[in-house]
Amino acid sequence: EVQLVESGGIVVRPGGSLRLSCAASGFTFDDYTMHWVRQVPGKGLEWVSLITWNGGRTSFADSVKGRFTISRDNNKNSLDLQMNSLRTEDTAFYYCAKDSRSNWGYFDYWGQGTLVTVSS
Amino acid sequence: EIVMTQSPATLSVSPGERATLSCRASQSVSISLAWYQQKPGQAPRLLIYGASTRATGIPARFSGSGSGTEFTLTISSLQSEDFAIYYCQQYHNSPLTFGGGTKVEIK
Repeated sequence: EVQLVESGGIVVRPGGSLRLSCAASGFTFDDYTMHWVRQVPGKGLEWVSLITWNGGRTSFADSVKGRFTISRDNNKNSLDLQMNSLRTEDTAFYYCAKDSRSNWGYFDYWGQGTLVTVSS
Repeated sequence: EIVMTQSPATLSVSPGERATLSCRASQSVSISLAWYQQKPGQAPRLLIYGASTRATGIPARFSGSGSGTEFTLTISSLQSEDFAIYYCQQYHNSPLTFGGGTKVEIK
């Protein structure tokens, strides 16, 4: 059974930093691209970032480019999102999502999400 | 960036009736289109990929159609568990983009 478990969401002040993690199990982690997708409570879904199976390619939404970095450890089946220079508009649930492919496509499994609140 | 537009924003349907949801892309995405269902307090769940292929375990009452810029998700006979928000997503180009969602509510 595929499981994705996010952690690290807390309340942080504007301008602060935070690192989210996602622990993956139930599939061959290093065969797939992984993503972060976020959702402001009560609003729609926004893709944030992806990292290909070997970390060879990363991509970011314009809204987070230059502030967020994504990384993965295929030995530990883990995915991270380093979030710097946080803004109030970064407040959202952050979901870790597995891609269906080794490059990028659609999201066939999702974690339950972790809430990041950016507030003074 | 490809903009995805879903309509209507809210659809009121009686149980047992048919629901038809639309998704339009600002440029062609071929059939690189997925649909997701999200219930309150839950993560999204994949329903359809490749515009028309049901994901594993998805009931046959869910069907997808379309290509290019116009897509449809049809729920043939709404069950109580189908009342939720539905999102389309294109994966033809980066950045990956979602529609704003259609809420299917009980009439």
